[in-house]
Amino acid sequence: DTGVSQNPRHKITKRGQNVTFRCDPISEHNRLYWYRQTLGQGPEFLTYFQNEAQLEKSRLLSDRFSAERPKGSFSTLEIQRTEQGDSAMYLCASSPGQGVWAGELFFGEGSRLTVL
Amino acid sequence: KQEVTQIPAALSVPEGENLVLNCSFTDSAIYNLQWFRQDPGKGLTSLLLIQSSQREQTSGRLNASLDKSSGRSTLYIAASQPGDSATYLCAVRRSQAGTALIFGKGTTLSVSS
Repeated sequence: DTGVSQNPRHKITKRGQNVTFRCDPISEHNRLYWYRQTLGQGPEFLTYFQNEAQLEKSRLLSDRFSAERPKGSFSTLEIQRTEQGDSAMYLCASSPGQGVWAGELFFGEGSRLTVL
Repeated sequence: KQEVTQIPAALSVPEGENLVLNCSFTDSAIYNLQWFRQDPGKGLTSLLLIQSSQREQTSGRLNASLDKSSGRSTLYIAASQPGDSATYLCAVRRSQAGTALIFGKGTTLSVSS
């Protein structure tokens, strides 16, 4: 399968714990995005990487959230000291930077976080 | 600030009916517009991408149109099937290719057999 892969698919944690999600984009896609989606809402942008550079961050990305893409391939999203309000689906997407499909986002299946 | 609105929020139709989903956006300076489908508890599947210079795109039974000047897009689904039941999301990208998509809240479609 050459689509966007996210792990884990589900995570249940207690308030105050740290969690980390991983995203493997479609190979050769140099752009990678993280979004958060709560029930009944559209996805909200969190952050964007072009290769290894984090070029844009939303105000939603508080200092408890950190994202990395160290080698311009996979990315991780870490949430420290989780709160119940962090419960959501975390979606990763990738996009080619050039060519006819430039600008089209391809999403993974998401990682669902439940904070108890 | 760009805002995307989708109407209606929910729609129920019998199988075989043709239907239109609406998307409006407040800032006409967009780079492109993308329609997605989302099944419950799943990720998003890209349906159609319309560049700002295009007026419409077609894929199978789906046709999406774009009118930048009025800030509107429609997704037309022909001969609906129960398998079309899902939430349909519209998203716009700001003027540069690398920037984030801004999503609407979606229209939840139910097609009964």
